[in-house]
Amino acid sequence: KNQVEQSPQSLIILEGKNCTLQCNYTVSPFSNLRWYKQDTGRGPVSLTIMTFSENTKSNGRYTATLDADTKQSSLHITASQLSDSASYICVVSPYGSGNTGKLIFGQGTTLQVKP
Amino acid sequence: NAGVTQTPKFQVLKTGQSMTLQCAQDMNHNSMYWYRQDPGMGLRLIYYSASEGTTDKGEVPNGYNVSRLNKREFSLRLESAAPSQTSVYFCASSEVVLGYTFGSGTRLTVV
Repeated sequence: KNQVEQSPQSLIILEGKNCTLQCNYTVSPFSNLRWYKQDTGRGPVSLTIMTFSENTKSNGRYTATLDADTKQSSLHITASQLSDSASYICVVSPYGSGNTGKLIFGQGTTLQVKP
Repeated sequence: NAGVTQTPKFQVLKTGQSMTLQCAQDMNHNSMYWYRQDPGMGLRLIYYSASEGTTDKGEVPNGYNVSRLNKREFSLRLESAAPSQTSVYFCASSEVVLGYTFGSGTRLTVV
């Protein structure tokens, strides 16, 4: 069964610190892996998108890595800010899912950044 | 750009009542989707419309109907609401596989 598991479930860090969120998936084959940020009461917003052949993708202070051999991805946040407090969702598109919306969503990691 | 707009933002229904969630996008995307998000779970696909004039079931379609009114609008209808449909509903659209844009969500409570 196609699954995406994220860890930790929740995380609290101090402002200015770095953190890394993990995503393990069983989806195979897959087209791409995405990381989304979801603020409370808002919809998910795309941070990074990586195809199966890419190893890393950056978006400002956010850097995503992908190891297709071990089926693991991580999202590293550098120099955290209070505005980084949100839920971070890992999403995998099975190969051939096309424009069907049949994405496999992780349950998310809730990050709280404290002053 | 407004992106994907959902209405209403909040709604409380009594069991058995019906309602329609509205979604409109202004990005000229061909494909649109409805998802639900429940605590501790990933988003789940309810219905999708790969192009204007077509709709198909997703993972959890029971109790819902959809209408792709035109290229911009995709509505979700609950004919007889049940407490199990209490959730946050997200509409999304995309043009190519790589780009999904989500609305801000509708928080629905069925009592």
